[in-house]
Amino acid sequence: QVHLAESGGGVVQPGRSLRLSCTSYGFTFSQYALHWVRQAPGKGPDWVAGISYDGSIKYYGDSVRGRFTISRDNSKKTLSLQMNSLRPDDTAVYYCARDAAGYRSSRWDYWGQGTLVTVSS
Amino acid sequence: QSALAQPASVSASPGQSITISCTGTSGDVGGYNDVSWYQQHPGKAPKLIIYAVDTRPSGDSNRFFGSKSGNTASLTISGLRPEDEADYYCSSYRTGDTLVFGGGTKLTVL
Repeated sequence: QVHLAESGGGVVQPGRSLRLSCTSYGFTFSQYALHWVRQAPGKGPDWVAGISYDGSIKYYGDSVRGRFTISRDNSKKTLSLQMNSLRPDDTAVYYCARDAAGYRSSRWDYWGQGTLVTVSS
Repeated sequence: QSALAQPASVSASPGQSITISCTGTSGDVGGYNDVSWYQQHPGKAPKLIIYAVDTRPSGDSNRFFGSKSGNTASLTISGLRPEDEADYYCSSYRTGDTLVFGGGTKLTVL
């Protein structure tokens, strides 16, 4: 059974960094593109970043480009999100999601349970 | 990036049908057959219910229908049930290797 599990969330001060991880089970990790999607409290989802199955292509939303870096380790079946220069408006639940169709797709068939990131002084 | 436009809320009684619209531009909804719809219950992750405009994931309910005309996609839910009460979001690929969501529609089953 496919399972994604995020970790690494917490409370962090503005301007600091945080690294999120997403571990996977139940599917061939190296065959799928993956994404990070976040959702601020009471708001709709907001796509953050995506990465191709082999990690060769990465792309980012406008609000995080230059501050966040997505990466993956296929040998460890792990997706990561390095978040630098965090701002209060980065506060959200961060989800990892599997792309069922390829890196340029909104077809995300499995999601993790999310990890909460709170940016506050 | 600006969100796709959805009505904030819609309501109907059990057994009735509703349609939720999702309006974008030729750079996203209108230009690609990559529109997906997600259902989200409180405290849960979004769940994919429609992809590629009108395709349901295997085994999912056949009460959900997707369509598209020009720059507007639509989700129709027939035979409403109490468990359909949730937030619904559309999403689409956008030119420039970006993915964008709609602002969301809260469905109330009266």
